[in-house]
Amino acid sequence: GDSVTQMEGPVTLSEEACLTINCTYTATGYPSLFWYVQYPGEGLQLLLKATKADDKGSNKGFEATYRKETTSFHLEKGSVQVSDSAVYFCALTTDSWGKLQFGAGTQVVVTP
Amino acid sequence: DGGITQSPKYLFRKEGQNVTLSCEQNLNHDAMYWYRQDPGQGLRLIYYSQIVNDFQKGDIAEGYSVSREKKESFPLTVTSAQKNPTAFYLCASSIPRDRATEAFFGQGTRLTVV
Repeated sequence: GDSVTQMEGPVTLSEEACLTINCTYTATGYPSLFWYVQYPGEGLQLLLKATKADDKGSNKGFEATYRKETTSFHLEKGSVQVSDSAVYFCALTTDSWGKLQFGAGTQVVVTP
Repeated sequence: DGGITQSPKYLFRKEGQNVTLSCEQNLNHDAMYWYRQDPGQGLRLIYYSQIVNDFQKGDIAEGYSVSREKKESFPLTVTSAQKNPTAFYLCASSIPRDRATEAFFGQGTRLTVV
């Protein structure tokens, strides 16, 4: 079956540091890939997405590139802020309805 | 504003009781989903529905039931058969759209067994 593996947290960073969260996947079909973010006590919000190989998704300073050859979709941000503290989920779907397979989530803590 | 509304935000249940979590959307989405979130385990799919009066089991459907009588509503019942119901429950919806489909999530219901 399909699966998503992402690096374990928590990841603790100082403000303005660089962030990378690794995500790799296995899928039986050709997946679309997503990063969702969850702030404390809230639901999930879509951060960015990519639907085909070599696509780059970007939003709010975050970027991720769909790498089919390495089955990866790593999330990066060049300079984090305290407000980026959240749990980040990598996810994929292989159907047109949006049914998602999630990774375990990575908690990111940014300190002033 | 369009969105997904889950209620209540917090819910306490005594052992042996059934409880129903509400999920309503005004996005005119065809598909709706229920996920369960436990610490360190990501989100796992409980049930999903792609059309009114039809729904499918997800990966962890045992001890749960759903209905889809209206397009806007997809309530989840946590029955007494669910052995470990304490968790954060998230409802989502989507509309089929080739490869760009994204799911929209509600704010969640935190269920605690007391």
